[in-house]
Amino acid sequence: GAGVSQSPSNKVTEKGKDVELRCDPISGHTALYWYRQSLGQGLEFLIYFQGNSAPDKSGLPSDRFSAERTGGSVSTLTIQRTQQEDSAVYLCASSQRLAGAGKAEQFFGPGTRLTVL
Amino acid sequence: AQSVTQPDIHITVSEGASLELRCNYSYGATPYLFWYVQSPGQGLQLLLKYFSGDTLVQGIKGFEAEFKRSQSSFNLRKPSVHWSDAAEYFCAVVSNRDDKIIFGKGTRLHILP
Repeated sequence: GAGVSQSPSNKVTEKGKDVELRCDPISGHTALYWYRQSLGQGLEFLIYFQGNSAPDKSGLPSDRFSAERTGGSVSTLTIQRTQQEDSAVYLCASSQRLAGAGKAEQFFGPGTRLTVL
Repeated sequence: AQSVTQPDIHITVSEGASLELRCNYSYGATPYLFWYVQSPGQGLQLLLKYFSGDTLVQGIKGFEAEFKRSQSSFNLRKPSVHWSDAAEYFCAVVSNRDDKIIFGKGTRLHILP
């Protein structure tokens, strides 16, 4: 596609339910990043993928959070047993290469706003 | 640990006035630096980036930023703001240890008519 897309754009769920957030990166982008944006907190790094591999999962807030990427393309972020503190905007970004390789502009999707009641 | 500091949480300027948003980073070597803008309900859009070379970088929408190594700063400027510039602005630096990009907490810009 022309840009990074995310679905759903909004998700309201009840505490304790599981949710899946989807990210479709720009075609051909090998690197994919997930961030969480809470009110007044800036962007919190969650996880990144190089191809289908996630070398660093240390940013995931708890073991209720997991992510996968298949076919070097679509990625899903899953939150199990959601809690109210999980409420935030979840942003996905893709890039032609990893940030450490330099000159790696990240293209962001519009985000998924998650509200946990 | 590496960090990016945006000292101003909110900035208010009048339409047509000049703008400077501050960004300071902690880093050992020459950093890769970015400024992103986020309009309400939108994702982040890249305004400009610095990798090397000329320390004055031109971006989109009439923005520019200057890299000053001696001050560890990468401030964003615009000579004359427009009402459509009201948004949140994020400074970011590529981590020197891994493949992450570290973002500041953002500065929200308000424009007075």
